[in-house]
Amino acid sequence: DSGVTQTPKHLITATGQRVTLRCSPRSGDLSVYWYQQSLDQGLQFLIQYYNGEERAKGNILERFSAQQFPDLHSELNLSSLELGDSALYFCASSRSGRAQETQYFGPGTRLLVL
Amino acid sequence: AQKVTQAQTEISVVEKEDVTLDCVYETRDTTYYLFWYKQPPSGELVFLIRRNSFDEQNEISGRYSWNFQKSTSSFNFTITASQVVDSAVYFCALSEAVYSGGGADGLTFGKGTHLIIQP
Repeated sequence: DSGVTQTPKHLITATGQRVTLRCSPRSGDLSVYWYQQSLDQGLQFLIQYYNGEERAKGNILERFSAQQFPDLHSELNLSSLELGDSALYFCASSRSGRAQETQYFGPGTRLLVL
Repeated sequence: AQKVTQAQTEISVVEKEDVTLDCVYETRDTTYYLFWYKQPPSGELVFLIRRNSFDEQNEISGRYSWNFQKSTSSFNFTITASQVVDSAVYFCALSEAVYSGGGADGLTFGKGTHLIIQP
């Protein structure tokens, strides 16, 4: 158990809908990352937050947004969902978001868009 | 831009055999960090090891060992006396420091190697 929690574990929704994925980092970690794992794209970095502020952006679509709250939990919002958004979404956390730190991953949320 | 290549898509061996998973990386930074993660069938990503670009010492942890060679930009992972529980997808990943101001732009992952250990 990494100490990172993600809810829900599974999510099934329809095209055009909006969903919110939730992540709680390990105790003491200030930085949260979101990743998408799909069959065709592999594991891709989406976005990073540190202590409530956005720090880095990866291959995140404009239909996707995220935020980190004062209690350090983070939410990833996916809107206008398409079939291709079906994937496993991981949250990871690290102490202060520095490159040398290990990122610990949550169990993931498996999203299926029908 | 940074890139990680895991050329072996799938490897199948019989239990107790030794197996090496290859990882080749590309980076413009002189300071960078390399990682290996394991993804068992249950789906979670489990951290195995972190190595920085200044430390080329090989590392051994039980049946696992890692060989880091800057000259060939490789960070290979060997499992000795493999076991069925080692069956998983293994990912090599890279994090750069200098060009991201010491922070982290997220990990760049390889495509993964699916390791199958047959009993």
